[in-house]
Amino acid sequence: DAKTTQPPSMDCAEGRAANLPCNHSTISGNEYVYWYRQIHSQGPQYIIHGLKNNETNEMASLIITEDRKSSTLILPHATLRDTAVYYCIVRVFYNQGGKLIFGQGTELSVKP
Amino acid sequence: NAGVTQTPKFRVLKTGQSMTLLCAQDMNHEYMYWYRQDPGMGLRLIHYSVGEGTTAKGEVPDGYNVSRLKKQNFLLGLESAAPSQTSVYFCASRPHQQGAFSEAFFGQGTRLTVV
Repeated sequence: DAKTTQPPSMDCAEGRAANLPCNHSTISGNEYVYWYRQIHSQGPQYIIHGLKNNETNEMASLIITEDRKSSTLILPHATLRDTAVYYCIVRVFYNQGGKLIFGQGTELSVKP
Repeated sequence: NAGVTQTPKFRVLKTGQSMTLLCAQDMNHEYMYWYRQDPGMGLRLIHYSVGEGTTAKGEVPDGYNVSRLKKQNFLLGLESAAPSQTSVYFCASRPHQQGAFSEAFFGQGTRLTVV
């Protein structure tokens, strides 16, 4: 699985969009980008995933660059409850072994 | 629907003692995982299982053993606890869905302190 690099921390004002970057320059063609978040030491929670097209769901949007070497998770209107550690993970979609390897993540602080 | 349940939620052990952490899921998931998380760090995979009766090593397996005798349960054992094993332990499960993405569901964690 490709290695990911994320900034250790970011701040965002409440109500503004939070844009969390992730670099995955060694990503291969069959690897997907997944995002999870962990709120205050609870178990991580799935947010979104994608391969090469931009994706959107009720929680967030995922923008993947054309060369797929980086991506951005967008929380369109951040709230205080979005304060959490956000993990970007790259892995093969059909990985039977199912290893889900987490990096250091980005600690997002949403401020009033 | 309870999801993923970890037992116990908190535990203090003395160095050298043994204990077993239990993870139970009621979603009929094939895959199960044990992670540990230390202060300021991300989750590190200890062991995982792709089905009943199977286990495999993750990133940091030393000092731990696991068993998956029943599909719904994944046990993590510490035979001789060490202070370096003080951590928060998370269990997760995920269904096998051929040709489709499957989300991992996490338990609420077990806080273990070894003194």
